[in-house]
Amino acid sequence: DSGVTQTPKHLITATGQRVTLRCSPRSGDLSVYWYQQSLDQGLQFLIQYYNGEERAKGNILERFSAQQFPDLHSELNLSSLELGDSALYFCASSGTGANSPLHFGNGTRLTVT
Amino acid sequence: DQQVKQNSPSLSVQEGRISILNCDYTNSMFDYFLWYKKYPAEGPTFLISISSIKDKNEDGRFTVFLNKSAKHLSLHIVPSQPGDSAVYFCAVGGGLTGGGNKLTFGTGTQLKVEL
Repeated sequence: DSGVTQTPKHLITATGQRVTLRCSPRSGDLSVYWYQQSLDQGLQFLIQYYNGEERAKGNILERFSAQQFPDLHSELNLSSLELGDSALYFCASSGTGANSPLHFGNGTRLTVT
Repeated sequence: DQQVKQNSPSLSVQEGRISILNCDYTNSMFDYFLWYKKYPAEGPTFLISISSIKDKNEDGRFTVFLNKSAKHLSLHIVPSQPGDSAVYFCAVGGGLTGGGNKLTFGTGTQLKVEL
């Protein structure tokens, strides 16, 4: 158990809809990262937050947004969903050291129909 | 543009033998290298890492080798066990990855250890 909790585990929704994925980091970790894994793809970095502030941004679509709250949990909002957004979405957290490894949750599987 | 490449999508090894997983990266500015293991329906689990100042790091049955001049990273598992069957991702950090501890991942290699 990595200590990172993601909810829900599965999500099925229709095109055009909006969903929110939730992540609780490991106790004490200030950094939260969101990654997307599409079929046969590696993990694509979306965005990182550190102690409530956006720290780094990857190829995140404008339809997607995220935030980190004062209690350090994070939410990833996906709107105007398209079929191609179907993927596994992973959250990870890390400590404050420069090379602290990322610890991943078990992911949310999003299916857009 | 794929900055981290794992050219073998799959690898099959007999129990007790050595498993060697390979990874190539394109940018010499990366300075931190990791391997993750992923079982179905679970998130990736950190396995072992190495910084650019070293060329080898060992942890039990797992050894990571770094060849900076060739921009090549490998993971050796000796001896391989059936429980090692999983997808292995290499990841790189530091340098031009955009700050923070953001990691860039390869596409993964499915390792199957057969009895």
